[in-house]
Amino acid sequence: DQQVKQNSPSLSVQEGRISILNCDYTNSMFDYFLWYKKYPAEGPTFLISISSIKDKNEDGRFTVFLNKSAKHLSLHIVPSQPGDSAVYFCAAFSPNNAGNMLTFGGGTRLMVKP
Amino acid sequence: DVKVTQSSRYLVKRTGEKVFLECVQDMDHENMFWYRQDPGLGLRLIYFSYDVKMKEKGDIPEGYSVSREKKERFSLILESASTNQTSMYLCASSPGGRIPYGYTFGSGTRLTVV
Repeated sequence: DQQVKQNSPSLSVQEGRISILNCDYTNSMFDYFLWYKKYPAEGPTFLISISSIKDKNEDGRFTVFLNKSAKHLSLHIVPSQPGDSAVYFCAAFSPNNAGNMLTFGGGTRLMVKP
Repeated sequence: DVKVTQSSRYLVKRTGEKVFLECVQDMDHENMFWYRQDPGLGLRLIYFSYDVKMKEKGDIPEGYSVSREKKERFSLILESASTNQTSMYLCASSPGGRIPYGYTFGSGTRLTVV
């Protein structure tokens, strides 16, 4: 049973436009969310995070929005660049975990066309 | 910068071989994790460890074992490699405790079992 879901396996966007990647979760105990970016043949790297006490966090071209009532978060990339082409994973943390363990979504492959 | 180093980037092994994947981190992190990444399935947790000589099963431990004899090193063992274990294997580490620090990942090992 997937507690974190990314329902779009892939997304194609034109350079300069907005990319919106979505993530849904089912566990209401999740209280911290992260986005990771992964290029082929490399490990995922941390991109941006948000605490459940906030509804928005911005870092340059990247903004994460959290809608707790809908159990939904999204990552906005504006403007999209070809170098943003990668697989993006959302991840969630629950304070009930016996330790520091994240639950990952299945990933969304973003392709930014020049 | 935290570094997580995986000993091999690419490996080709024969069916039935015993395979060792090594992971070393240099920031004194308590937690270490092994994931595999497959297209459409995202990141799936194989095993994790919160302390030396301690291990816990993740979502897909069958066919794998782990060893953590020293804090900085976490080894994944394929007892008898099979073709369905062909995958990208990712090691990660994080600080201990209930603080939602993100993971730092290694660059991954692309394992092909023939």
